[in-house]
Amino acid sequence: KQEVTQIPAALSVPEGENLVLNCSFTDSAIYNLQWFRQDPGKGLTSLLLIQSSQREQTSGRLNASLDKSSGRSTLYIAASQPGDSATYLCAVRFSGGYQKVTFGTGTKLQVIP
Amino acid sequence: SQTIHQWPATLVQPVGSPLSLECTVEGTSNPNLYWYRQAAGRGLQLLFYSVGIGQISSEVPQNLSASRPQDRQFILSSKKLLLSDSGFYLCAWWGWREGPDEQFFGPGTRLTVL
Repeated sequence: KQEVTQIPAALSVPEGENLVLNCSFTDSAIYNLQWFRQDPGKGLTSLLLIQSSQREQTSGRLNASLDKSSGRSTLYIAASQPGDSATYLCAVRFSGGYQKVTFGTGTKLQVIP
Repeated sequence: SQTIHQWPATLVQPVGSPLSLECTVEGTSNPNLYWYRQAAGRGLQLLFYSVGIGQISSEVPQNLSASRPQDRQFILSSKKLLLSDSGFYLCAWWGWREGPDEQFFGPGTRLTVL
């Protein structure tokens, strides 16, 4: 069964700290991986998309890496700010199920001023 | 640019009543469309997806159904709601921004069944 896991489920850090969120997936045959942010009661906002052929993507203070062989992706957030507080979800499009995306359960991040 | 709309934003319905949630996409043609449900404290569950008009794939046997009467319209329905249907319903489409096959989400509908 193709699964996506995110650990920890919740994380609290002081403002200004650099942090890493983890995403693990059980099948290395993936098409792409996408990181999302979800604010309470809101829809999902796309942060970064990494294609299978790529190793990382960057946008501002965010950097996402992909290691297919180990089944892992990390989202690095530099110089965290209170506005970064949200739930972060990773989603994997496995090669066998091209039309579908499997989501992790998310990491709830709180950045303390 | 592409935009995805969902309505209503919130809905409170009694058990046994019917349901109709609507999702429309602007700025693209022939999108792949998706319905997800997010229950309290749980991850996103894919309910239905559609690759074209009248084409619906169901992922989870349940009390719900979906229809795609037009290219950019996706509807989630139920004839009789259950308490377990409560949750946050999200519509998404599959398109292009920085690369192909990126998913974009609507604002969601919060459904409470009493």
